[in-house]
Amino acid sequence: GAVVSQHPSWVICKSGTSVKIECRSLDFQATTMFWYRQFPKQSLMLMATSNEGSKATYEQGVEKDKFLINHASLTLSTLTVTSAHPEDSSFYICSALGGDQETQYFGPGTRLLVL
Amino acid sequence: LAKTTQPISMDSYEGQEVNITCSHNNIATNDYITWYQQFPSQGPRFIIQGYKTKVTNEVASLFIPADRKSSTLSLPRVSLSDTAVYYCLYSRTDKLIFGTGTRLQVFP
Repeated sequence: GAVVSQHPSWVICKSGTSVKIECRSLDFQATTMFWYRQFPKQSLMLMATSNEGSKATYEQGVEKDKFLINHASLTLSTLTVTSAHPEDSSFYICSALGGDQETQYFGPGTRLLVL
Repeated sequence: LAKTTQPISMDSYEGQEVNITCSHNNIATNDYITWYQQFPSQGPRFIIQGYKTKVTNEVASLFIPADRKSSTLSLPRVSLSDTAVYYCLYSRTDKLIFGTGTRLQVFP
């Protein structure tokens, strides 16, 4: 139980284009999901908290107009990187808060490369 | 939110028991302590979670002293496949703050 999937697992795009990443909780409902970014050899950095049916809460320094988050259902949250640039290349990981409201379960991550 | 403090790296050999200690001096009354394992290019995997004393599951044990300002993850008889980064966090419903983690290298 408590499986979280992400799609796509990797994506390559041209600079200036937008990329959408999906995060799904497969066997449980998640009112809260989180989006992280991880650069090579570094730890995960929280980008935003996504609550179903409401606006996401962004961490300081994260541009909400660049990283659009939509949490339209209890099993799906999406992250759209708008007008991507090479510096946006990173490993993006989502997580979903489990039914105990204490444990986060992580997706496998999405590798984004912007050329 | 304060991050946790744990050793940057540890080395071990196959078959040994590995104990990774984490400090979390600013833990609040309602916080749980959670450990995750992360392999390269994968999302973190939940290992174990506890509130106080000792918790054991099929892969690890978690020891938490009475003051809860630290915790120790114990991995019995590690194998090569346990080579990974291990993160200690205290979790709430709002958000997790990841520290640097401990990079465990298991040698044959």
